[in-house]
Amino acid sequence: DTGVSQNPRHKITKRGQNVTFRCDPISEHNRLYWYRQTLGQGPEFLTYFQNEAQLEKSRLLSDRFSAERPKGSFSTLEIQRTEQGDSAMYLCASSLGKGLSGSTYNEQFFGPGTRLTVL
Amino acid sequence: RKEVEQDPGPFNVPEGATVAFNCTYSNSASQSFFWYRQDCRKEPKLLMSVYSSGNEDGRFTAQLNRASQYISLLIRDSKLSDSATYLCVVLNAGGTSYGKLTFGQGTILTVHP
Repeated sequence: DTGVSQNPRHKITKRGQNVTFRCDPISEHNRLYWYRQTLGQGPEFLTYFQNEAQLEKSRLLSDRFSAERPKGSFSTLEIQRTEQGDSAMYLCASSLGKGLSGSTYNEQFFGPGTRLTVL
Repeated sequence: RKEVEQDPGPFNVPEGATVAFNCTYSNSASQSFFWYRQDCRKEPKLLMSVYSSGNEDGRFTAQLNRASQYISLLIRDSKLSDSATYLCVVLNAGGTSYGKLTFGQGTILTVHP
């Protein structure tokens, strides 16, 4: 399977625990995005990487959230001290961008998501 | 006001019906527009891009009115397999925000026999 993969697919944790999710983008894609989706809503942008550089972070991404893409390939999203309000589907997407000043949209392909439940 | 607004529905239509979804967006500088489809408990997938001139892909027709900041999707001859959530999506323009998709709430469609 050469699509975007995410692990784990499901995570149940207790409030206050830390969790980490992993995203493996399509191999030649240099752009990687994280989104969060709650029930009955569309996905909301969290953060964006161009290769290993994190170029944008949403205000939704509080200090408890951190994302990395150390080698410009896979990415991790960590949530510290989880809260019940963090319960959501965390989606990763990748695309083949054309650099920081790229002017062409390349389709974002989404992974299956990690469903987080905070008890 | 949300950046992208859709009627959440649900729309329940019989097979063969024609159904239309509407969407409005608030950022007049938005550059590109799309419809994504999301099946229950699955990831969103691109259905089609939306152009000012209007575009058609089989039974699906998308329209964009930049002056009114309005996007539409028309599905003709609905099939059972069209049952899904349809997400109106806007791409922010320029700078380091380029590539950030803003999604509407989604419109739920159920096609019944």
